[in-house]
Amino acid sequence: KQEVTQIPAALSVPEGENLVLNCSFTDSAIYNLQWFRQDPGKGLTSLLLIQSSQREQTSGRLNASLDKSSGRSTLYIAASQPGDSATYLCAVYTGGFKTIFGAGTRLFVKA
Amino acid sequence: ETGVTQTPRHLVMGMTNKKSLKCEQHLGHNAMYWYKQSAKKPLELMFVYSLEERVENNSVPSRFSPECPNSSHLFLHLHTLQPEDSALYLCASSQGTDGYTFGSGTRLTVV
Repeated sequence: KQEVTQIPAALSVPEGENLVLNCSFTDSAIYNLQWFRQDPGKGLTSLLLIQSSQREQTSGRLNASLDKSSGRSTLYIAASQPGDSATYLCAVYTGGFKTIFGAGTRLFVKA
Repeated sequence: ETGVTQTPRHLVMGMTNKKSLKCEQHLGHNAMYWYKQSAKKPLELMFVYSLEERVENNSVPSRFSPECPNSSHLFLHLHTLQPEDSALYLCASSQGTDGYTFGSGTRLTVV
């Protein structure tokens, strides 16, 4: 059974710091991994999608990597800003309309 | 706009009321989903529709009744809900391995 774990559960950093959020999964048989951002009481906004054949994806200050063999993905945020404060979730798609979500990492960036 | 629109954004209903949540996507996706997100809990998949046919029903109580009249619209009909059903209800759509797109959610409060 696929399980997705995100560590840490919460993180507080000063503005300007570079940071890494971690996502691990137990079964490497995935089609893709997607990172989302969620603001309180709002829906999930897709940040980056990495297909199983890819190693990384970049968008602006965000970079996500995928290592299927070790069951790990990282989301790197460069030069963090207070506006980056949100919960970040990773999700792995295992096929057949099944996507497993992690519990998320709550990020707070202090001004 | 994310491409997936949910209405209403907020809903307060009594336990004897009947209401409906609406979701609409104009992305040409062939699958649509209802998720429930309670405070401090991971996302819970409720229903999946593919090409207007229900393909997944995760043991959801019968007081929740989904309807998918066409590939662009998804409804969640609610009746005789309980206070513990208060949560954020999220709609999403997908196509193959292209990742998920979520709506902004409906914040439901049952009184």
